[in-house]
Amino acid sequence: SQQGEEDPQALSIQEGENATMNCSYKTSINNLQWYRQNSGRGLVHLILIRSNEREKHSGRLRVTLDTSKKSSSLLITASRAADTASYFCATDGTGANNLFFGTGTRLTVIP
Amino acid sequence: DTAVSQTPKYLVTQMGNDKSIKCEQNLGHDTMYWYKQDSKKFLKIMFSYNNKELIINETVPNRFSPKSPDKAHLNLHINSLELGDSAVYFCASSRSTRNAEAFFGQGTRLTVV
Repeated sequence: SQQGEEDPQALSIQEGENATMNCSYKTSINNLQWYRQNSGRGLVHLILIRSNEREKHSGRLRVTLDTSKKSSSLLITASRAADTASYFCATDGTGANNLFFGTGTRLTVIP
Repeated sequence: DTAVSQTPKYLVTQMGNDKSIKCEQNLGHDTMYWYKQDSKKFLKIMFSYNNKELIINETVPNRFSPKSPDKAHLNLHINSLELGDSAVYFCASSRSTRNAEAFFGQGTRLTVV
């Protein structure tokens, strides 16, 4: 299976703290993406990092990618209550034409 | 305007029935997808279409059939519904199959009773 796995499954932090989520995958990839899903809604794309990149920033988001370890991390700095959501990583396998999603991390930011 | 829209948002039906979920995207994307999200939030790819041609048909029952009348639409037909089909179904589209972000619809919550 090309499915990824996020760690931890659930994370609860205080507003203003940083949140770090990890993703591990199994196959070679073209890119890795992170998505957010608010309760009862569809997924929203956050950031894409290509296999030849090691780090990428977007606002309060920082993503790292280590292809040797087949892992990625998503850091959300200075978290806000509005960041409460589930976060998924998705990989685009080199031999596949689809996005395969991980199991998700449920983040709760307490005001 | 909503980029990817799917209807209905909620669907409650009895076992054995046949139902359809419609999806439309106004982004001019070449690729559309159907995903199934179960109660544990696990997202599984079901189908993807590129330029109206099926790219990959994952191991889903043949009771599920995607139909694409044109590049902007990818509908999902489900025959002989079973209890285990209850889930949230998401339609998505992307510019291409590689290195492109996917845009998701708001989901259709299907409940089979």
